[in-house]
This record gives sequence, structure tokens and C-alpha cells, in this order.
Amino acid sequence: NAGVTQTPKFRVLKTGQSMTLLCAQDMNHEYMYWYRQDPGMGLRLIHYSVGEGTTAKGEVPDGYNVSRLKKQNFLLGLESAAPSQTSVYFCATSGRHLSSYNEQFFGPGTRLTVL
Amino acid sequence: GENVEQHPSTLSVQEGDSAVIKCTYSDSASNYFPWYKQELGKGPQLIIDIRSNVGEKKDQRIAVTLNKTAKHFSLHITETQPEDSAVYFCAASLNYGGSQGNLIFGKGTKLSVKP
Repeated sequence: NAGVTQTPKFRVLKTGQSMTLLCAQDMNHEYMYWYRQDPGMGLRLIHYSVGEGTTAKGEVPDGYNVSRLKKQNFLLGLESAAPSQTSVYFCATSGRHLSSYNEQFFGPGTRLTVL
Repeated sequence: GENVEQHPSTLSVQEGDSAVIKCTYSDSASNYFPWYKQELGKGPQLIIDIRSNVGEKKDQRIAVTLNKTAKHFSLHITETQPEDSAVYFCAASLNYGGSQGNLIFGKGTKLSVKP
């Protein structure tokens, strides 16, 4: 099992360009998350999904859009990239269990630089 | 909303010594407190967690304590080893009724264990 994978691993964009980050999981998890990690800022939630076809805003959603058309995939889009979106992006997943206390499994990250 | 403060931001210890990382949270309703370890170039990985109905939890050299009254929780690593060197994140969330709350992360602690 691959677990949680992210594509691409690295990307350099020019201001105003668009791109899509792909997160794929083979864990059959219901919940999926997109975080950004900046130096000294920890992990901040951008958007999340509690199931196929659903998405919701997190702490820092501006400038990003997401889609969850299939249970195993969660896409993060940047319509018009800005230098402030230079960051490392992590996808995470977790399953739904009766206990409600579920571990989040993180992907390896995508390092994005916007010039 | 929830706010999680984490201290210190950097911690350097000698191999074999103990390391303690402390976090405070603002929302007294939060009831789930995980700790994640992030090695260089990788995504965070859960190392231990604690629920609000428990005051302490141990797993080999790692322990977490929770003081609900003071709204703080701590990670204790004993007999540190060079492979413990990483960035550690605390987090808090409110989980109830089968639903998972979003994790709010601290800003991280970079632990260096000197051989």
C-alpha cells in the first residue's frame, strides 16, 4: 500500500500562473485535509473534506479551491498563484470510527515556490 | 476558536537526557491532544495522543501529560537518542458524536539530540 501520495513533489510557478496539487490515498479514508506549512507557523488547515463530493473551508482558504470527486483523491487548486503562497503543502487523511479519535496520516509534501 | 501555544521553539539536549515540550490551549471544550513528529523532508507522523478523560499516557520512552484545569499538556521524552532529533508538533481538537474536529497545531519545537 502506498498510503498517502502527493503529486508533484516540487514546483516553481510564476505569479499569476495556476496549478493543481493532487493527493491520492489507498487507505479508504473518509476524511481528507490540505495543510500548508510555513517556517515558524506550524501547520495551518486550508480546506478539508469529510467525504466524497463534500468540501469545507479551513483556517486559511483564501486563494485556494478544492475538489473531492472521488473518495481516494483530493485536489488543491491555485487559480492565480501569489508569492505569499510559497510554502510546503501537506495532504492528510483519517478514517471515520465510532471512537471519533482518529490519527491523521500525512503525505510527503509538495514544495511550491511562487516567483 | 481554538489557539494552541507551544514552547520552546527549539530545544537542544545531550543524548541520554530528557526533553520536555509544553503546549497550552484556549478552548476548554477541546478533548483530543495528539503529538506529531516530523523528520526532515517528511510529513508529520503521530507518535502519541491523549484524550481529556486521561491525565497521563506512556509509550516506552515517550509520555504525555494533560492538565485540563490549567489547559496545558506536555510531551516527555526520556533517554533521548540522536534519532529523536526532529520537529515535534502538538495539536488540539474537539471530537464528539462520531465527528472529528479539525486539528489546531502548535508552531512546532525543533529538538536536537547531541551525541
